Amino acid sequence: EAGVAQSPRYKIIEKRQSVAFWCNPISGHATLYWYQQILGQGPKLLIQFQNNGVVDDSQLPKDRFSAERLKGVDSTLKIQPAKLEDSAVYLCASSKLFSSNSPLHFGNGTRLTVT
Amino acid sequence: DAKTTQPNSMESNEEEPVHLPCNHSTISGTDYIHWYRQLPSQGPEYVIHGLTSNVNNRMASLAIAEDRKSSTLILHRATLRDAAVYYCILRDSVGKLIFGQGTELSVKP
Repeated sequence: EAGVAQSPRYKIIEKRQSVAFWCNPISGHATLYWYQQILGQGPKLLIQFQNNGVVDDSQLPKDRFSAERLKGVDSTLKIQPAKLEDSAVYLCASSKLFSSNSPLHFGNGTRLTVT
Repeated sequence: DAKTTQPNSMESNEEEPVHLPCNHSTISGTDYIHWYRQLPSQGPEYVIHGLTSNVNNRMASLAIAEDRKSSTLILHRATLRDAAVYYCILRDSVGKLIFGQGTELSVKP
């Protein structure tokens, strides 16, 4: 099966600019996650969707970050305006079931550099 | 969120078995134990998961203590391609997967 697709692979922007990341999960996967991974740290969960509804966005900085999952398939994560500390890899993951028994499948991420 | 404790780093020799430990003393009855690994410049990769019984797949084995407060990921014959950061994570009933710092495994030829 095709894996989780993310684009772009790399992005460099200046602070205060906006940026958007796109994710296409594995076909049929109901649950979608966005993680932020700062260099040297484990991934940090930003938001979790079940179909097109938000399950958990408690760690999403809502003053600058937004995410949507239209029609319960693709998802976009946006940052506006970006700060230097947003430099990180943004990972998308999907899971077939909304269940603790269902593994996550990750994309290779988008590496964002904010200058 | 239930937490896990892992050593920061471990070393292994190529073609020898590796045992990666994980402590999770606050695990709840419905939490599954998941293991993922992350190679440089890649997203995390699912390795194995289990609830109570030991589990085997083509990548590894997972040994779970009887009281479920600890578990061990076993790589039967380490290769250079197994060098990665290994994360032990408890996945709760609402499906959240919260990563810790993981164990950085290095494999010597």
